[in-house]
Amino acid sequence: GAGVSQSPSNKVTEKGKDVELRCDPISGHTALYWYRQSLGQGLEFLIYFQGNSAPDKSGLPSDRFSAERTGGSVSTLTIQRTQQEDSAVYLCASSLAVGYEQYFGPGTRLTVT
Amino acid sequence: TQLLEQSPQFLSIQEGENLTVYCNSSSVFSSLQWYRQEPGEGPVLLVTVVTGGEVKKLKRLTFQFGDARKDSSLHITAAQPGDTGLYLCAGDGQGGKLIFGQGTELSVKP
Repeated sequence: GAGVSQSPSNKVTEKGKDVELRCDPISGHTALYWYRQSLGQGLEFLIYFQGNSAPDKSGLPSDRFSAERTGGSVSTLTIQRTQQEDSAVYLCASSLAVGYEQYFGPGTRLTVT
Repeated sequence: TQLLEQSPQFLSIQEGENLTVYCNSSSVFSSLQWYRQEPGEGPVLLVTVVTGGEVKKLKRLTFQFGDARKDSSLHITAAQPGDTGLYLCAGDGQGGKLIFGQGTELSVKP
């Protein structure tokens, strides 16, 4: 069956540009999570969605980061005015509901030059 | 703030050797999970431990949850080159978010 998919798989952007990262969760999964994986920081939580609402945005590092989820399915993570420290792998995971096993996508590798 | 300290960060061993990875916290977790991640892929769940003192076995991998539910270990017996990868422990946070340790990069040489 189809797993979690993310696009693009790689993104190179210039400092100051905006980027959008997309996550397609497993069909029927109501919970969706975004994490960031960078050297020296490990894997850190950014935000999660229950349906279309985001009860916990505590992991977003600055107001340049935002995310939305529409139709209880696809989610986009937007980073405005990218900085070099935003370079990382952005991982999305979905689960049947909050507290259930999370299934991860392959990630989007973002490089800010 | 809940934190997980994972050690060692890097481990390079010969095929057939045994190894143990540790995951420690000052916080209590209701459950703790172990993942394995290969390059270019997302983490894949290996096991979830939920009861203090619990021991779970997955072929040559043995997972243990501390009695106080603050620490866990992963022991691999007779490591194989196919075990090479990044091993991550993660505890459950509020809202189901996962709190990850820094990871252990394991390399098993033939």
